[in-house]
Amino acid sequence: DAGITQSPRHKVTETGTPVTLRCHQTENHRYMYWYRQDPGHGLRLIHYSYGVKDTDKGEVSDGYSVSRSKTEDFLLTLESATSSQTSVYFCAISEILAGPSEQYFGPGTRLTVT
Amino acid sequence: GQQLNQSPQSMFIQEGEDVSMNCTSSSIFNTWLWYKQDPGEGPVLLIALYKAGELTSNGRLTAQFGITRKDSFLNISASIPSDVGIYFCAGRTTSGTYKYIFGTGTRLKVLA
Repeated sequence: DAGITQSPRHKVTETGTPVTLRCHQTENHRYMYWYRQDPGHGLRLIHYSYGVKDTDKGEVSDGYSVSRSKTEDFLLTLESATSSQTSVYFCAISEILAGPSEQYFGPGTRLTVT
Repeated sequence: GQQLNQSPQSMFIQEGEDVSMNCTSSSIFNTWLWYKQDPGEGPVLLIALYKAGELTSNGRLTAQFGITRKDSFLNISASIPSDVGIYFCAGRTTSGTYKYIFGTGTRLKVLA
């Protein structure tokens, strides 16, 4: 299994509070991603990173920000959580070279916003 | 956002039967990935495909990269109860993007 951990694994928070989710990898992969998974929508990309301090938006980035100060850590922040952000959040990593590329997922964080 | 068309959405099968599922896209891909997800866990990579026409096996699982580069197939032979779960396909286009596009998933249920 790829060395990816996510913390916390479960969190319940109130509307309007800030929340930060952490993804940590031990694979030294260059690319890191944050997805959310909701029934009927599958996996949707929130933000991704292609290097330290290099990030870009995905398809559902509104209300989320990210930071990557070290290769191994990728943080996802909900500045002011809303009920629509209740979801399961997955971090993923990949090392995309000119040819083959594979993406590995972390165990997920289940976030409930009340 | 763009998603892959994955079918069937769900299927009930008897233990011992073979299973087939597929993904199709309007875009040409240079990578196809197949994942399995168990309840409460993250997707686990099963098979990766990198060339049109490529056929790759992982135990009882076999996947193929379609020759048009717009589709992929996953077959499971002699299914067992632990094959239960959701199977996802994912693809990366040839445009040089770092992004992967995901299928909507096939929910597999195996009856003992």
